[in-house]
Amino acid sequence: ELKVEQNPLFLSMQEGKNYTIYCNYSTTSDRLYWYRQDPGKSLESLFVLLSNGAVKQEGRLMASLDTKARLSTLHITAAVHDLSATYFCAVDRYHKLVFGAGTILRVKS
Amino acid sequence: SAVISQKPSRDICQRGTSLTIQCQVDSQVTMMFWYRQQPGQSLTLIATANQGSEATYESGFVIDKFPISRPNLTFSTLTVSNMSPEDSSIYLCSVGLNTGELFFGEGSRLTVL
Repeated sequence: ELKVEQNPLFLSMQEGKNYTIYCNYSTTSDRLYWYRQDPGKSLESLFVLLSNGAVKQEGRLMASLDTKARLSTLHITAAVHDLSATYFCAVDRYHKLVFGAGTILRVKS
Repeated sequence: SAVISQKPSRDICQRGTSLTIQCQVDSQVTMMFWYRQQPGQSLTLIATANQGSEATYESGFVIDKFPISRPNLTFSTLTVSNMSPEDSSIYLCSVGLNTGELFFGEGSRLTVL
């Protein structure tokens, strides 16, 4: 059974600081997704990582995938308040997603 | 990308009743899924909606409780039957594209009293 673990589950950051969210998964998969969810909203697709060593960046967010270590990271650079949201990683299992528990990110000024 | 419309966006229902949620996509897609997000929780896959055949349910979910229809490649419905307060959740439709991307609808927030 595929298990996906995210940590931390809650992250309070100061504006301008850097931090990393980790996503570990238990069985082989070559596809991993990162989503953002604002309160009361649906999921916004951030990144799709399709191969080992994949790295994608969009603004202050950068995601990477190490399939051998079964680990993905979402790195936040110089956080701003607008990044406050819940972030989910999800691992592909035959086109079905198994989600991590989510990381609640709060950026304080 | 894909534009996914879900109806209703929210509803308040009485215990013991049933509610059908609709999912409409702006293009033909092979893969459609239904997820549930319980309050303060992550998302859990309910089932894969198969066009022209019975849906494939995940462990813990059964057809009698969550009947699903998929009459064509752009539309699906999920019914939550004989509702109880424990069914209060957000129900999300998801579609998969050939690019590998998976998109979600806006969700249907259901409250059962």
